[in-house]
Amino acid sequence: QVQLLQSGAEVKKSGASVKVSCKASGYSFPNSGINWVRQAPGHGLEWMGWISPYNGNTNYAQKVQGRLTMTTDTSTSTAYMELRSLRYDDTAVYYCAKDGPDSSFDYWGQGTLVTVSS
Amino acid sequence: QSVLTQPPSASGTPGQWVTISCSGSTSNIGTNDVNWYQHLPGTAPKLLIYRNSHRPSGVPDRVSGSKSGTSASLAISGLQSEDEADYYCAAWDDSLNGPVFGGGTKLTVL
Repeated sequence: QVQLLQSGAEVKKSGASVKVSCKASGYSFPNSGINWVRQAPGHGLEWMGWISPYNGNTNYAQKVQGRLTMTTDTSTSTAYMELRSLRYDDTAVYYCAKDGPDSSFDYWGQGTLVTVSS
Repeated sequence: QSVLTQPPSASGTPGQWVTISCSGSTSNIGTNDVNWYQHLPGTAPKLLIYRNSHRPSGVPDRVSGSKSGTSASLAISGLQSEDEADYYCAAWDDSLNGPVFGGGTKLTVL
């Protein structure tokens, strides 16, 4: 069965960087894009960006453009999301999600809480 | 402020039929398909409806979706306590070149 297993919770200082991993299993990793979606406390879901493990092409949301880098390692079927210059409003649960039919996300990771503190 | 507009809350009693609306514009719902997700706090979101009205394997047929113009709706019949969750609509936005979500609707089963 398809599974996306994310790395554990992180606590970072304002201005630092965080890198979250998402290890995929149960399907052909290069054949489906990986998205990153976050949910800040008390807020809804927010799409951050997409990466193709096949060729490394990316598409980032304008809001985080310049601070966000997504990468993949096809040898380990793992996707990574690195967010730099962290701000307090980056505190959120970060999810990876696999491309599904018609721009949907059909499988999601369990989420990684990133807390930005002073 | 979310690009897609959903009511913040909805409620119903067990066995009832409830609908959740999602309003957008010509750059998103008006030209692209709508997907719906169910999210229980502390768990991974789950794809409920894709391509406006299609159910992934395992989603019961008492859950349905529809789209008309720049709006979409999710309907759940035979409401059960396990349906109590947050529901989000989403669609690709051509102007933003990415998917956008609604603000979410918290469904309470009374």
